[in-house]
Amino acid sequence: KAGVTQTPRYLIKTRGQQVTLSCSPISGHRSVSWYQQTPGQGLQFLFEYFSETQRNKGNFPGRFSGRQFSNSRSEMNVSTLELGDSALYLCASSPGGATDTQYFGPGTRLTVL
Amino acid sequence: AQSVTQPDIHITVSEGASLELRCNYSYGATPYLFWYVQSPGQGLQLLLKYFSGDTLVQGIKGFEAEFKRSQSSFNLRKPSVHWSDAAEYFCAVAGAGNNRKLIWGLGTSLAVNP
Repeated sequence: KAGVTQTPRYLIKTRGQQVTLSCSPISGHRSVSWYQQTPGQGLQFLFEYFSETQRNKGNFPGRFSGRQFSNSRSEMNVSTLELGDSALYLCASSPGGATDTQYFGPGTRLTVL
Repeated sequence: AQSVTQPDIHITVSEGASLELRCNYSYGATPYLFWYVQSPGQGLQLLLKYFSGDTLVQGIKGFEAEFKRSQSSFNLRKPSVHWSDAAEYFCAVAGAGNNRKLIWGLGTSLAVNP
């Protein structure tokens, strides 16, 4: 099976812009979770989608949003970018959710200037 | 609230030496416990996980972890470290129920001296 893919791998944006990141899960996986990874904060949970519904949400402002399509592919959007949004954004897929093994993509490195 | 603490931010060991990485969690019931590894340039990969049964869990790459309920700990061990084990190690906990989500420790960075 193909692994989790994330596009783009690298992104440079300026403050105030918006960005959309994409994640294609492993075939058959219905859960997709998104994380923000920074050196000081570790992995912080953004949200989880399961069968096109947001099932869980972390403590991030409303500028961070996501969605999941019928084929389980997921996108996350960050509007009005801030310098502090610079991070590695990781997507993970699993068959059923948090208690299953998470399969991570390589991440999207977002730099906000 | 669930939380995970990895007390050691950075550890350096010599190749061939034994390794123990500490993980303490806070959760009301028996949690699902995980150890993941993130190697330079590679994605996060599951090493092992525990939910029930034998409290000593075997994982990939020769790693094992022991669940100790009385100490709320799930420490990761390896009897002999290889240079390729240099990586970032993350402990995570998930609870059962509809609102379960993975809570992560801040990670332990492992360096291996030749």
